[in-house]
Amino acid sequence: GQQLNQSPQSMFIQEGEDVSMNCTSSSIFNTWLWYKQEPGEGPVLLIALYKAGELTSNGRLTAQFGITRKDSFLNISASIPSDVGIYFCAGREGAQKLVFGQGTRLTINP
Amino acid sequence: NAGVTQTPKFRVLKTGQSMTLLCAQDMNHEYMYWYRQDPGMGLRLIHYSVGEGTTAKGEVPDGYNVSRLKKQNFLLGLESAAPSQTSVYFCASSLSSGGQPQHFGDGTRLSIL
Repeated sequence: GQQLNQSPQSMFIQEGEDVSMNCTSSSIFNTWLWYKQEPGEGPVLLIALYKAGELTSNGRLTAQFGITRKDSFLNISASIPSDVGIYFCAGREGAQKLVFGQGTRLTINP
Repeated sequence: NAGVTQTPKFRVLKTGQSMTLLCAQDMNHEYMYWYRQDPGMGLRLIHYSVGEGTTAKGEVPDGYNVSRLKKQNFLLGLESAAPSQTSVYFCASSLSSGGQPQHFGDGTRLSIL
């Protein structure tokens, strides 16, 4: 099946720093989604991308759908303590199925 | 503000026991999904449904069965639980196909002893 490589696996940063993470795929996706998961909860959608080259922002978060349709990145600017969590990328293959990356665990030192 | 509700939230089973996990959504979504999440891994799709009365296999369907008798409910069954099925299970739903994002429940933590 599809393989999604998400990096880095974990990040330890200082409050106020910018964060960047990305996902690459072995095949083409027609949709990229970015989710955040906090302890004891399910993933929550942050940003959805539907077109190659699309750049979308949600507050301090910005994500892009790569031109090749095989990659996507998520940036967080000026990180704050509530940004802590695990961030997942997901790519859509076909009409229904999502393939998830392994997650990036973000830890912020105040 | 319910969205997707999963019951139970926690459960401990002995090997060989059976149980059913319930997922309910109040958003009138057509599509529903069951995932499992294991440490260091992303979510893996177990089974999904594209509408009432339909089910289909996902990436890791072995050892699980599902039913979608009502549009709002999607049940995940373990007929004979095995320690390898210890995991956190997430249900999700989406409005339709064509790129609609999925909305997730808060998960069921299942331990098989």
